[in-house]
This record gives sequence, C-alpha cells and structure tokens, in this order.
Amino acid sequence: DTGVSQDPRHKITKRGQNVTFRCDPISEHNRLYWYRQTLGQGPEFLTYFQNEAQLEKSRLLSDRFSAERPKGSFSTLEIQRTEQGDSAMYLCASGRGVGGETQYFGPGTRLLVL
Amino acid sequence: DQQVKQNSPSLSVQEGRISILNCDYTNSMFDYFLWYKKYPAEGPTFLISISSIKDKNEDGRFTVFLNKSAKHLSLHIVPSQPGDSAVYFCAATGSTLGRLYFGRGTQLTVWP
Repeated sequence: DTGVSQDPRHKITKRGQNVTFRCDPISEHNRLYWYRQTLGQGPEFLTYFQNEAQLEKSRLLSDRFSAERPKGSFSTLEIQRTEQGDSAMYLCASGRGVGGETQYFGPGTRLLVL
Repeated sequence: DQQVKQNSPSLSVQEGRISILNCDYTNSMFDYFLWYKKYPAEGPTFLISISSIKDKNEDGRFTVFLNKSAKHLSLHIVPSQPGDSAVYFCAATGSTLGRLYFGRGTQLTVWP
C-alpha cells in the first residue's frame, strides 16, 4: 500500500524565483488536496481536485500560485516570484472522493525563501 | 475566522495516565471529525475519526467523544505512552464540503 508521496522534501530558493512541487496521491483516490502549514498553525486549505477538475480554491491562493492535475493522477503546485512569506510546509493529501471523508497526507515539502 | 479551536496549546501527562485533548467547533455544517498526529518535519498522520451520527468511537488506546449540542469533541488516550508525544490536530469537514478545517494543535508530552 503506497501512501501519498511528495517531491522534493525540502526546497531552498531565493526571493523572486519560481518553484514547483509534485504530489502523487494514493492510486485509487480521486480527490487531491493542497494545504500549507506555518509554525504554530494548523494546516490551511489551498485548493483541491476531483480527478482533473479543480473544484475549490482558497483566498490564500494568490495569482502567484497555480495548481494542476492534468490527467487526474499526480498534481503540481507552482509558486511564481516567491516571497519570504511563502516559506512554509506544503502538504498534499488524497481521499476517495466522498464528501466528509478521511484525507491521508504526504510527508510535505518544506520551502524556505531567502 | 477559526471554525475549529483547540484552546490548549500544550498538555503534559505522566506515562500510564490518561491524556485528554479537547476541540471546539462553530460550523453546524460539520458532520465528520478527525484527529491527526504530527511529528516535526512530517505530514499529519490520521489517528481516528467520528461521524456526527455517533457520540463515541474507539480504536485501541484512542477514543473520541463527540458532544454535538456543545459542539465539542475530545480525544482520550489511555494509557499514555512516551511515543504518543507529538502535536495533535483536530479537524472537521462536512458531506457538502471538500476541505478539512484544522485547529492550531495541542503539543502532547508524555513523560516517564
């Protein structure tokens, strides 16, 4: 049973650079979620997909952020023109696609913007 | 607007005793509640959940209680073990909602 995987696990970048993260969900899961966590806070919702359709985006997801799930399998989250405030743990989760369900998280990608 | 609240940022318990972690919510659309455990530099690990049609769910040493009228849930760990030391997050969602709403977490420390 392969869990949710994320790549890379750590990323250090300079302010103004673009970064892209990848998430591979559990294979039979239709839904894929992105969250962001900063120190002392719980995970905050960014966006989610049902298969390849992006169903909801948070107000936190500024126009510098874009997420895709082109074939309904893996997903990418891109941050353009990174800012120091983007430094956080980016978490991906997947679920079967039923409302009110358990979501299973990957190990996260820790981003540090210098 | 914090729709899920964990008012105790930390809890310290002796090994073998009971740990009780509390969580309050405000949104009446929430009908499914979860607890996650998180170690530093790792993603949250699912622990236990409860649907709003129940008031108790048990899994080994972990029991979650739900009081819908008070919009309150709690996680009981009995007996507590040092390996239980971690941050515990309460989360909630609903059948018409996709996302999870999280509290800010409670750092549990179990000492020998």
